[in-house]
Amino acid sequence: SQQGEEDPQALSIQEGENATMNCSYKTSINNLQWYRQNSGRGLVHLILIRSNEREKHSGRLRVTLDTSKKSSSLLITASRAADTASYFCATVETTDSWGKFQFGAGTQVVVTP
Amino acid sequence: DAMVIQNPRYQVTQFGKPVTLSCSQTLNHNVMYWYQQKSSQAPKLLFHYYDKDFNNEADTPDNFQSRRPNTSFCFLDIRSPGLGDAAMYLCATSSPTLKYLVGNEQFFGPGTRLTVL
Repeated sequence: SQQGEEDPQALSIQEGENATMNCSYKTSINNLQWYRQNSGRGLVHLILIRSNEREKHSGRLRVTLDTSKKSSSLLITASRAADTASYFCATVETTDSWGKFQFGAGTQVVVTP
Repeated sequence: DAMVIQNPRYQVTQFGKPVTLSCSQTLNHNVMYWYQQKSSQAPKLLFHYYDKDFNNEADTPDNFQSRRPNTSFCFLDIRSPGLGDAAMYLCATSSPTLKYLVGNEQFFGPGTRLTVL
Protein backbone atom coordinates (compact mmCIF):
# COMPACT_ATOMS: atom_id res chain seq x y z
CA SER A 1 0.00 0.00 0.00
CA GLN A 2 1.14 3.52 -0.62
CA GLN A 3 2.84 4.97 2.40
CA GLY A 4 3.29 8.60 1.50
CA GLU A 5 0.61 11.20 1.30
CA GLU A 6 1.40 14.47 -0.39
CA ASP A 7 -0.12 17.83 0.09
CA PRO A 8 -1.25 19.76 -1.84
CA GLN A 9 -2.26 17.57 -4.78
CA ALA A 10 -1.83 20.53 -7.11
CA LEU A 11 -0.11 23.88 -6.86
CA SER A 12 -0.22 26.79 -9.28
CA ILE A 13 2.21 29.68 -8.84
CA GLN A 14 3.89 32.41 -10.83
CA GLU A 15 7.54 32.56 -11.78
CA GLY A 16 9.66 33.90 -8.98
CA GLU A 17 7.39 32.65 -6.23
CA ASN A 18 8.30 29.84 -3.86
CA ALA A 19 6.60 26.47 -4.02
CA THR A 20 6.20 24.30 -0.93
CA MET A 21 4.86 20.78 -0.84
CA ASN A 22 4.59 18.31 2.01
CA CYS A 23 4.85 14.58 2.39
CA SER A 24 3.73 12.42 5.29
CA TYR A 25 4.55 8.78 5.88
CA LYS A 26 3.64 6.03 8.31
CA THR A 27 6.60 3.83 9.23
CA SER A 28 10.19 4.26 10.36
CA ILE A 29 12.38 5.18 7.45
CA ASN A 30 16.00 4.89 6.42
CA ASN A 31 15.77 7.90 4.15
CA LEU A 32 13.32 10.01 2.18
CA GLN A 33 13.85 11.10 -1.40
CA TRP A 34 12.17 13.59 -3.70
CA TYR A 35 11.76 13.01 -7.41
CA ARG A 36 10.52 15.18 -10.25
CA GLN A 37 8.56 13.91 -13.22
CA ASN A 38 7.97 15.98 -16.29
CA SER A 39 4.83 15.11 -18.23
CA GLY A 40 5.17 11.79 -20.03
CA ARG A 41 8.70 11.18 -18.80
CA GLY A 42 10.51 9.10 -16.20
CA LEU A 43 11.33 10.27 -12.69
CA VAL A 44 14.46 12.23 -11.92
CA HIS A 45 16.09 12.14 -8.50
CA LEU A 46 16.27 15.56 -6.83
CA ILE A 47 17.48 15.13 -3.29
CA LEU A 48 17.83 12.57 -0.52
CA ILE A 49 17.60 13.21 3.19
CA ARG A 50 18.57 10.57 5.74
CA SER A 51 16.60 9.85 8.86
CA ASN A 52 19.24 11.48 11.06
CA GLU A 53 19.20 14.71 9.05
CA ARG A 54 16.77 17.57 9.58
CA GLU A 55 17.42 19.84 6.63
CA LYS A 56 19.21 19.67 3.34
CA HIS A 57 19.81 22.10 0.48
CA SER A 58 20.57 21.60 -3.18
CA GLY A 59 20.57 24.68 -5.36
CA ARG A 60 17.07 26.17 -5.17
CA LEU A 61 15.75 23.15 -3.31
CA ARG A 62 15.37 22.89 0.44
CA VAL A 63 14.14 19.73 2.10
CA THR A 64 13.22 19.29 5.74
CA LEU A 65 12.50 16.10 7.62
CA ASP A 66 10.70 15.76 10.92
CA THR A 67 10.82 12.12 11.96
CA SER A 68 8.75 12.77 15.09
CA LYS A 69 5.88 13.95 12.89
CA LYS A 70 6.78 11.56 10.07
CA SER A 71 6.72 14.37 7.56
CA SER A 72 8.93 16.13 5.05
CA SER A 73 8.65 19.28 3.02
CA LEU A 74 10.19 20.34 -0.28
CA LEU A 75 10.65 24.03 -0.98
CA ILE A 76 11.53 25.31 -4.42
CA THR A 77 12.67 28.90 -4.23
CA ALA A 78 12.39 31.46 -7.04
CA SER A 79 10.44 29.07 -9.22
CA ARG A 80 10.82 28.98 -12.99
CA ALA A 81 8.52 27.80 -15.76
CA ALA A 82 10.87 24.83 -16.19
CA ASP A 83 9.96 23.68 -12.65
CA THR A 84 6.50 22.73 -13.94
CA ALA A 85 6.28 19.01 -13.17
CA SER A 86 4.91 16.48 -10.72
CA TYR A 87 6.91 16.00 -7.55
CA PHE A 88 6.93 12.72 -5.64
CA CYS A 89 8.34 11.80 -2.27
CA ALA A 90 9.61 8.27 -1.77
CA THR A 91 10.54 6.61 1.48
CA VAL A 92 12.84 3.69 2.13
CA GLU A 93 11.85 1.79 5.25
CA THR A 94 14.40 0.87 7.92
CA THR A 95 13.58 -2.80 7.54
CA ASP A 96 14.39 -2.68 3.86
CA SER A 97 17.77 -4.00 2.81
CA TRP A 98 17.55 -3.39 -0.91
CA GLY A 99 15.67 -0.16 -1.36
CA LYS A 100 12.01 -0.66 -2.03
CA PHE A 101 10.29 2.69 -2.36
CA GLN A 102 6.96 3.77 -1.04
CA PHE A 103 5.85 6.66 -3.25
CA GLY A 104 3.56 9.46 -2.27
CA ALA A 105 0.68 10.41 -4.52
CA GLY A 106 2.55 13.39 -5.91
CA THR A 107 2.07 17.14 -6.14
CA GLN A 108 1.47 18.63 -9.57
CA VAL A 109 3.17 22.02 -9.80
CA VAL A 110 2.42 24.53 -12.55
CA VAL A 111 4.61 27.61 -12.80
CA THR A 112 3.26 30.32 -15.08
CA PRO A 113 5.51 33.01 -16.59
CA ASP B 1 26.61 8.40 -20.66
CA ALA B 2 25.42 5.71 -18.28
CA MET B 3 21.69 5.45 -18.44
CA VAL B 4 18.47 3.46 -18.40
CA ILE B 5 16.90 2.92 -21.80
CA GLN B 6 13.38 1.76 -22.51
CA ASN B 7 12.04 0.56 -25.82
CA PRO B 8 9.72 1.28 -27.36
CA ARG B 9 8.67 4.65 -25.98
CA TYR B 10 5.13 4.12 -27.22
CA GLN B 11 3.49 0.75 -27.68
CA VAL B 12 0.04 0.05 -29.02
CA THR B 13 -1.42 -3.41 -28.68
CA GLN B 14 -4.78 -5.05 -29.05
CA PHE B 15 -6.88 -6.41 -26.25
CA GLY B 16 -5.55 -9.86 -25.39
CA LYS B 17 -2.49 -9.69 -27.66
CA PRO B 18 0.77 -10.39 -25.78
CA VAL B 19 3.23 -7.53 -25.58
CA THR B 20 6.81 -7.23 -24.35
CA LEU B 21 8.46 -4.08 -23.09
CA SER B 22 12.21 -3.87 -22.75
CA CYS B 23 14.64 -2.08 -20.50
CA SER B 24 18.41 -1.92 -20.66
CA GLN B 25 20.93 -0.23 -18.42
CA THR B 26 24.57 0.70 -18.69
CA LEU B 27 24.93 1.44 -14.97
CA ASN B 28 25.77 -2.15 -14.03
CA HIS B 29 23.28 -1.95 -11.17
CA ASN B 30 22.23 -5.06 -9.27
CA VAL B 31 18.60 -4.15 -8.87
CA MET B 32 16.09 -3.52 -11.61
CA TYR B 33 12.46 -2.55 -11.04
CA TRP B 34 9.30 -2.39 -13.10
CA TYR B 35 6.64 0.13 -12.15
CA GLN B 36 3.20 0.76 -13.55
CA GLN B 37 2.00 4.35 -13.48
CA LYS B 38 -1.50 5.40 -14.40
CA SER B 39 -2.49 8.96 -15.12
CA SER B 40 -2.00 11.35 -12.19
CA GLN B 41 -1.01 8.50 -9.88
CA ALA B 42 2.17 7.45 -8.14
CA PRO B 43 4.28 4.70 -9.68
CA LYS B 44 3.22 1.27 -8.45
CA LEU B 45 5.92 -1.37 -8.07
CA LEU B 46 5.15 -4.55 -10.00
CA PHE B 47 8.33 -6.53 -9.30
CA HIS B 48 12.05 -6.24 -8.97
CA TYR B 49 15.18 -8.28 -9.54
CA TYR B 50 18.11 -8.35 -7.16
CA ASP B 51 20.66 -9.79 -9.56
CA LYS B 52 18.79 -12.87 -10.80
CA ASP B 53 16.51 -13.15 -7.80
CA PHE B 54 12.97 -12.30 -8.81
CA ASN B 55 10.62 -10.63 -6.34
CA ASN B 56 6.96 -10.23 -7.14
CA GLU B 57 4.72 -7.76 -5.34
CA ALA B 58 1.77 -9.52 -3.75
CA ASP B 59 -0.81 -7.57 -5.73
CA THR B 60 0.86 -7.82 -9.14
CA PRO B 61 -1.54 -9.64 -11.48
CA ASP B 62 -0.47 -13.01 -12.90
CA ASN B 63 -0.89 -11.45 -16.32
CA PHE B 64 2.44 -9.68 -15.77
CA GLN B 65 5.70 -11.59 -16.04
CA SER B 66 9.31 -10.53 -16.19
CA ARG B 67 12.63 -11.85 -17.42
CA ARG B 68 16.17 -10.74 -16.71
CA PRO B 69 18.54 -12.68 -18.97
CA ASN B 70 21.60 -10.71 -17.83
CA THR B 71 22.60 -7.71 -15.71
CA SER B 72 21.89 -5.22 -18.46
CA PHE B 73 18.47 -6.26 -19.72
CA CYS B 74 15.06 -6.76 -18.20
CA PHE B 75 11.76 -7.45 -19.95
CA LEU B 76 8.16 -7.00 -18.94
CA ASP B 77 5.72 -9.40 -20.58
CA ILE B 78 2.00 -8.78 -20.46
CA ARG B 79 0.40 -12.02 -21.52
CA SER B 80 -3.14 -10.85 -22.23
CA PRO B 81 -3.41 -7.08 -21.98
CA GLY B 82 -6.70 -5.67 -20.86
CA LEU B 83 -7.97 -2.13 -21.15
CA GLY B 84 -7.02 -1.59 -17.52
CA ASP B 85 -3.37 -2.29 -18.31
CA ALA B 86 -3.03 0.87 -20.38
CA ALA B 87 -0.46 2.91 -18.49
CA MET B 88 3.08 4.20 -18.44
CA TYR B 89 5.57 1.48 -17.56
CA LEU B 90 8.73 2.65 -15.88
CA CYS B 91 11.95 0.74 -15.48
CA ALA B 92 14.41 1.76 -12.78
CA THR B 93 17.70 0.57 -11.37
CA SER B 94 19.61 0.93 -8.14
CA SER B 95 22.75 -0.42 -6.60
CA PRO B 96 22.58 -1.46 -2.94
CA THR B 97 26.38 -1.58 -2.84
CA LEU B 98 26.18 2.20 -3.01
CA LYS B 99 23.64 2.19 -0.21
CA TYR B 100 25.77 4.13 2.20
CA LEU B 101 26.83 6.62 -0.43
CA VAL B 102 23.63 7.46 -2.26
CA GLY B 103 20.99 5.76 -0.15
CA ASN B 104 19.40 3.64 -2.82
CA GLU B 105 18.72 6.41 -5.28
CA GLN B 106 16.81 4.93 -8.19
CA PHE B 107 17.58 5.77 -11.79
CA PHE B 108 14.56 5.77 -14.05
CA GLY B 109 14.18 5.23 -17.74
CA PRO B 110 11.91 7.51 -19.81
CA GLY B 111 9.06 5.01 -19.70
CA THR B 112 6.96 3.16 -22.26
CA ARG B 113 3.41 4.38 -22.76
CA LEU B 114 1.20 1.37 -23.45
CA THR B 115 -2.12 1.79 -25.23
CA VAL B 116 -4.56 -1.13 -25.40
CA LEU B 117 -7.18 -1.01 -28.15
